[in-house]
Amino acid sequence: DTEVTQTPKHLVMGMTNKKSLKCEQHMGHRAMYWYKQKAKKPPELMFVYSYEKLSINESVPSRFSPECPNSSLLNLHLHALQPEDSALYLCASSVDRTLEPQHFGDGTRLSIL
Amino acid sequence: AQSVTQLDSQVPVFEEAPVELRCNYSSSVSVYLFWYVQYPNQGLQLLLKYLSGSTLVKGINGFEAEFNKSQTSFHLRKPSVHISDTAEYFCAVSRGGATNKLIFGTGTLLAVQP
Repeated sequence: DTEVTQTPKHLVMGMTNKKSLKCEQHMGHRAMYWYKQKAKKPPELMFVYSYEKLSINESVPSRFSPECPNSSLLNLHLHALQPEDSALYLCASSVDRTLEPQHFGDGTRLSIL
Repeated sequence: AQSVTQLDSQVPVFEEAPVELRCNYSSSVSVYLFWYVQYPNQGLQLLLKYLSGSTLVKGINGFEAEFNKSQTSFHLRKPSVHISDTAEYFCAVSRGGATNKLIFGTGTLLAVQP
């Protein structure tokens, strides 16, 4: 069982819709991450939050908007996505941003129509 | 900058046979090394990690890896595989510190056949 919980598990949306992905952890971790993973590829880092502040944005298009309301919760708001944004979106957390390993959730599989 | 190379995109092996999945890295500074496994329709699960100390690292599910600084390698091994080990395996490197980012290899599909 994963200790990082992501909802929903699957999401289908049109290009004009607005939706949000949610990630939650109760391990007391202070660093949280969003990754995008296309089929047969490794995860690609999108955003990093450290102590609820955005510390890394890997030049992600503005149609993806992250939010960290508190130390346990991470959201990814989606608006006006493109078909190429269809992918598995993974959330991860770690004790902090130094060398501790990251713990991953099972992801949200997103399909854009 | 760090990089990770997993030369084998797929490794077929028979059940109960030993297996080695290769990982080489490049970095001008000390790094931390990880192996993750991804089963179908799941996220990544940490198998093992090398941060410092003993170069032979034991992980979950009977896997182990050896850090070889002179060859810049961190190969993953298991003496006897099971059908349930069929999955994608990712090697990853991190420099640690305030700018810590995981750099993943391209992955190796371990396909265990009966």
